[in-house]
Amino acid sequence: AQTVTQSQPEMSVQEAETVTLSCTYDTSESNYYLFWYKQPPSRQMILVIRQEAYKQQNATENRFSVNFQKAAKSFSLKISDSQLGDTAMYFCAFMSYYQGGSEKLVFGKGTKLTVNP
Amino acid sequence: AAGVIQSPRHLIKEKRETATLKCYPIPRHDTVYWYQQGPGQDPQFLISFYEKMQSDKGSIPDRFSAQQFSDYHSELNMSSLELGDSALYFCASSLVGLAGGPDTQYFGPGTRLTVL
Repeated sequence: AQTVTQSQPEMSVQEAETVTLSCTYDTSESNYYLFWYKQPPSRQMILVIRQEAYKQQNATENRFSVNFQKAAKSFSLKISDSQLGDTAMYFCAFMSYYQGGSEKLVFGKGTKLTVNP
Repeated sequence: AAGVIQSPRHLIKEKRETATLKCYPIPRHDTVYWYQQGPGQDPQFLISFYEKMQSDKGSIPDRFSAQQFSDYHSELNMSSLELGDSALYFCASSLVGLAGGPDTQYFGPGTRLTVL
């Protein structure tokens, strides 16, 4: 079974600064995706970024980028130029897949990020 | 762009009552997933459907059942409700397609169920 570990329950950052959230995972699968989802106080689950395990290039989405280290099974999220609206719970998630369908998402426990003015 | 729709958004029930949660996936998406998120917890997978057939099952109590209909919407039926069933229930959808393979799951806003 896959496991996802987020070792930082809470973090804070000043507005406009950069912060990195950590995530490690354990799997014996070779085909998988990794995700970061954001859950603001509204509790909506919002996709932040996706990384395909077969891609060596790290994914980026505007101010959000990842550092994917496949051998180390590490998948950290970097948020640049932090904004007050980035305040949220961030979940790292793992999804294996096979020809014919996708698997369920397995989530970490989350990191609560607070951006301070 | 159209998103996943869930109804109702809030639901209050008494113990031992029954609840039905509905999910309308993004148009053309063929796969639906249900997750349960307790207070202060991460979402836990309950069950999924691909092309109206159950594709995977997680830690879903026997008191719960679900199905996906011909228009791809899904319903989660919960009977003999217990206090511990109080949670946020998410539906997510994705497009697997005929060729199969992975796709991102997009979440609805959730249904907040409170059992008194």
